[in-house]
Amino acid sequence: SQQGEEDPQALSIQEGENATMNCSYKTSINNLQWYRQNSGRGLVHLILIRSNEREKHSGRLRVTLDTSKKSSSLLITASRAADTASYFCATWGFQKLVFGTGTRLLVSP
Amino acid sequence: DVKVTQSSRYLVKRTGEKVFLECVQDMDHENMFWYRQDPGLGLRLIYFSYDVKMKEKGDIPEGYSVSREKKERFSLILESASTNQTSMYLCASRPGTSGSYEQYFGPGTRLTVT
Repeated sequence: SQQGEEDPQALSIQEGENATMNCSYKTSINNLQWYRQNSGRGLVHLILIRSNEREKHSGRLRVTLDTSKKSSSLLITASRAADTASYFCATWGFQKLVFGTGTRLLVSP
Repeated sequence: DVKVTQSSRYLVKRTGEKVFLECVQDMDHENMFWYRQDPGLGLRLIYFSYDVKMKEKGDIPEGYSVSREKKERFSLILESASTNQTSMYLCASRPGTSGSYEQYFGPGTRLTVT
């Protein structure tokens, strides 16, 4: 299975702190994507990083990719209560995206 | 903005009933997907379709079928609902055939089978 695995499974922080989530995957990839899911809702795409990129930024999000270690990390800086959600990495398999099991992030005011 | 809509947010059905979950996207996307999401198991792909009348099995197709008669609509069918099909069902769509595109998700349907 190419399924990614996020680490940690759950993370609890205070507003203003940074949150770091990690994703490991098993096979070679062309790109890796991160999605956010608010409680009981659908997933929303956050950012895509290609295999030839090492780092990418989007607002308060910073994603890194290490293809030699088959891992990626998502950093959310200066977190807000509204960042409370589950975060998933996804890798491209044959005609389809394969999602990890997600990290649940709780940001307390 | 791309919009993916699902026919129901919450649905309660009895064991043995035939259940239809409808998904509609408004951006002319070629690819559409049905996932189920269960605690601790993440998203698992049930079926996907890359064109009208085309369908491909995902990782867990057993107990499900799909229909795609029009490009914008992708239906998931539970022929005879069972309690182990109680889950959150998510529909998604994506343009193109490469992996360089994001997927757009609907809000989900939480199905309870009693």
